[in-house]
Amino acid sequence: DTGVSQNPRHKITKRGQNVTFRCDPISEHNRLYWYRQTLGQGPEFLTYFQNEAQLEKSRLLSDRFSAERPKGSFSTLEIQRTEQGDSAMYLCASSSRGGGFLRNEQFFGPGTRLTVL
Amino acid sequence: QKEVEQNSGPLSVPEGAIASLNCTYSDRGSQSFFWYRQYSGKSPELIMFIYSNGDKEDGRFTAQLNKASQYVSLLIRDSQPSDSATYLCAVNQAGGTSYGKLTFGQGTILTVHP
Repeated sequence: DTGVSQNPRHKITKRGQNVTFRCDPISEHNRLYWYRQTLGQGPEFLTYFQNEAQLEKSRLLSDRFSAERPKGSFSTLEIQRTEQGDSAMYLCASSSRGGGFLRNEQFFGPGTRLTVL
Repeated sequence: QKEVEQNSGPLSVPEGAIASLNCTYSDRGSQSFFWYRQYSGKSPELIMFIYSNGDKEDGRFTAQLNKASQYVSLLIRDSQPSDSATYLCAVNQAGGTSYGKLTFGQGTILTVHP
């Protein structure tokens, strides 16, 4: 399978605990995005990496959230001191298009569903 | 006003009919537009994208874009029960510092009944 993969697929944690999610993009893709989706809503942008550089972060990404892509391949998203409001599906997407972003087809992984008790 | 608006539905059509899904956006700087399908409990799956005014066809799907009216639509011909899903419209500003992030509507639930 050469698609985007995410682990774990499900995570249940208690409020106040830290969690970390991993995303492995499609191998030749240099662009990687994190989104969050709650029930009945479309995905909301969290952050973007081009290779290993984090180039954009949403205001939604509070200081409890941190994301890395250390070698420009896989990425991790960590949430510290989780809150019940963090319960959502965390989606990773990757894309590859030389030059501009006009035809920036993003392919999503299966997501990590987080439940904070 | 939301940046990307879709009628949440549900939209119910009989099998074999044409389903028409609509989306409006507020930012005139938006340059490309994507339609995703999302089955319950699954992640979004890219159907097609469009960035030029007019129609773009791919199999049973046709995307239509009217930048002057800030309107994009998706037509599904010969609808099948397997098309029953949530359809997400996404907009890409593709300029400045947007880095191609997608802004999604809330999605339209489509039900195709036999």
